[in-house]
Amino acid sequence: NAGVTQTPKFQVLKTGQSMTLQCAQDMNHEYMSWYRQDPGMGLRLIHYSVGAGITDQGEVPNGYNVSRSTTEDFPLRLLSAAPSQTSVYFCASSSLLYAGGPNEQFFGPGTRLTVL
Amino acid sequence: GENVEQHPSTLSVQEGDSAVIKCTYSDSASNYFPWYKQELGKRPQLIIDIRSNVGEKKDQRIAVTLNKTAKHFSLHITETQPEDSAVYFCAASKFAGGTSYGKLTFGQGTILTVHP
Repeated sequence: NAGVTQTPKFQVLKTGQSMTLQCAQDMNHEYMSWYRQDPGMGLRLIHYSVGAGITDQGEVPNGYNVSRSTTEDFPLRLLSAAPSQTSVYFCASSSLLYAGGPNEQFFGPGTRLTVL
Repeated sequence: GENVEQHPSTLSVQEGDSAVIKCTYSDSASNYFPWYKQELGKRPQLIIDIRSNVGEKKDQRIAVTLNKTAKHFSLHITETQPEDSAVYFCAASKFAGGTSYGKLTFGQGTILTVHP
């Protein structure tokens, strides 16, 4: 299993450009989420999904769109990039199969995004 | 919403010493508290977690304690080694019975450096 994969690893954008960060998992996990990591602020939840066709906002959703058409993929779209979106983005997934407690969230390798 | 505060932001210890990282949370309904380790340039990985019905949990050199009344929990690493050097994040979530996911709210992170 590849686990959680993300592309690209690095990206530089100009203000106003749009792009999609890709996230895929091959563990048949229902739950997928996107976080951004900024120095001194930990990881903050952007959007999450509990299954195909179901998405919801996290703590910092403004400026980002998501959709979930398949179990495997959960892309994150920046419609008009701003310098404030310069960050490292992590995708994570976990199973919803009830096992008596919360299931571990597995993180992807991250995408480092710079907006000029 | 939930707010998690983590201290200290940096921690420097000598090899063999113990390290303690503390977190406080605001939402008394939070009941799941994982700890993640992130090595430089890598993804966060779960190292230990605790649920609110348990006061302490140990896994070899790592232990986590939880004080529900005071709403704080701590990570203890004994006999530290240079390979323990990393950023450590605490997190909190409300795990609802019958589902196995929870939106994680992270602390700001602690940079641990273990000197040989």
